[in-house]
Amino acid sequence: DVKVTQSSRYLVKRTGEKVFLECVQDMDHENMFWYRQDPGLGLRLIYFSYDVKMKEKGDIPEGYSVSREKKERFSLILESASTNQTSMYLCASSTRTVSYNEQFFGPGTRLTVL
Amino acid sequence: GQNIDQPTEMTATEGAIVQINCTYQTSGFNGLFWYQQHAGEAPTFLSYNVLDGLEEKGRFSSFLSRSKGYSYLLLKELQMKDSASYLCAVRGDNAGNMLTFGGGTRLMVKP
Repeated sequence: DVKVTQSSRYLVKRTGEKVFLECVQDMDHENMFWYRQDPGLGLRLIYFSYDVKMKEKGDIPEGYSVSREKKERFSLILESASTNQTSMYLCASSTRTVSYNEQFFGPGTRLTVL
Repeated sequence: GQNIDQPTEMTATEGAIVQINCTYQTSGFNGLFWYQQHAGEAPTFLSYNVLDGLEEKGRFSSFLSRSKGYSYLLLKELQMKDSASYLCAVRGDNAGNMLTFGGGTRLMVKP
């Protein structure tokens, strides 16, 4: 059973703080993704990684960075949190094979920046 | 780029059939996914279409027409537990299995 876990379900931070969101998957997936989900805007891709130490910008990378030092772990970093980064953050992973390879999602982290 | 449209909300009655439409405009196409997301939970995979036609999986079916840039998710014999958001997502012909999601359709099933 594929499992994607995220370090926190709820997080409250202050403006200017550095925030780390951790994601771990146990299925040896090559690809990992970070999305944010906001009402009316759907899921938007922040960054993704298709291999260790590899990263690619998604649609909305500004204000974020990522780290993938190990295959199973993909971290999202908010260098200086701002109130407009209050959102639900979802991590996902998938295999690299080009066919029927859906993304598996973690439970999400609801981040509030005050 | 990718542009994906689906209705924001729909309401249906328990036991009925509902069709949720999704239209897309993409620079490349390598498959369309439907996900279900209950409030406060992670999206879970429902279906995948890469060729034209209908894919049936129990009470849920998904249809794709690539020439029209159109898909629909059909839910039969609606149950209260089907109240959720349904997300349409398109995979482009890019590395990394990137998906672009529509805004989601919130379905409310009433008794």
